[in-house]
Amino acid sequence: EVQVVESGGGLVQPGGSLRLSCVASGFTVSSNFMSWVRQAPGKGLEWVSVIYTGGSTYYADSVKGRFTISRHDSKNTVYLQVNTLRPDDTAVYYCARGGSEGAYYYYYAMDVWGQGTTVTVSS
Amino acid sequence: QSALTQPASVSGSPGQSITISCTGTSSDVGGYNYVSWYQQHPGKAPKLMIYEVTNRPSGVPDRFSGSKSGNTASLTISGLQAEDEADYYCSSFTSSTTHVVFGGGTKLTVL
Repeated sequence: EVQVVESGGGLVQPGGSLRLSCVASGFTVSSNFMSWVRQAPGKGLEWVSVIYTGGSTYYADSVKGRFTISRHDSKNTVYLQVNTLRPDDTAVYYCARGGSEGAYYYYYAMDVWGQGTTVTVSS
Repeated sequence: QSALTQPASVSGSPGQSITISCTGTSSDVGGYNYVSWYQQHPGKAPKLMIYEVTNRPSGVPDRFSGSKSGNTASLTISGLQAEDEADYYCSSFTSSTTHVVFGGGTKLTVL
């Protein structure tokens, strides 16, 4: 079964750090782009970051310089290092796979999502 | 404020059709055929319904369709069913520094 499972969330004080993990099964993370999307309580979806198959990375302006996405191919895992956390970073963080069907890879659309890991930033 | 503008809510009766709009600019929706639509039920992860403006992933009913005109993309659901009641989000690639943007979401109520 193709799936991703996130972990690493928790309660952290402002200014703190966490490393979120996304373990994939049923596919290899190096074959599809992988993204992180977050959702603050009662709010909409916010795109956070992406890592492409070639290793290129991009970030939302709101997290640039504070968050880092990376990939460990042998562990089939994608990470999001989140530093200098602020209360407005409080959200459920979803890991999502760039969509594909057979040999076709979707552009900028995500077809497999995890259940999310919750990050709460509060003193 | 979200980069893409969606109506906060829409509603329809079972069997009817509804359309949700998603308005951006020439830097995102209008400039590229990279609009996606997601369905999210309460407490659940989003589900991809449409990619690249008009394409349905396998398993998505053909009651769901997507289109685009200028800077506005649309999701149409025909033959509304009770299980379609959910939040719907559009997203698009953007040539701005943000790379990908979402709409603010639309709550669909099936009356």
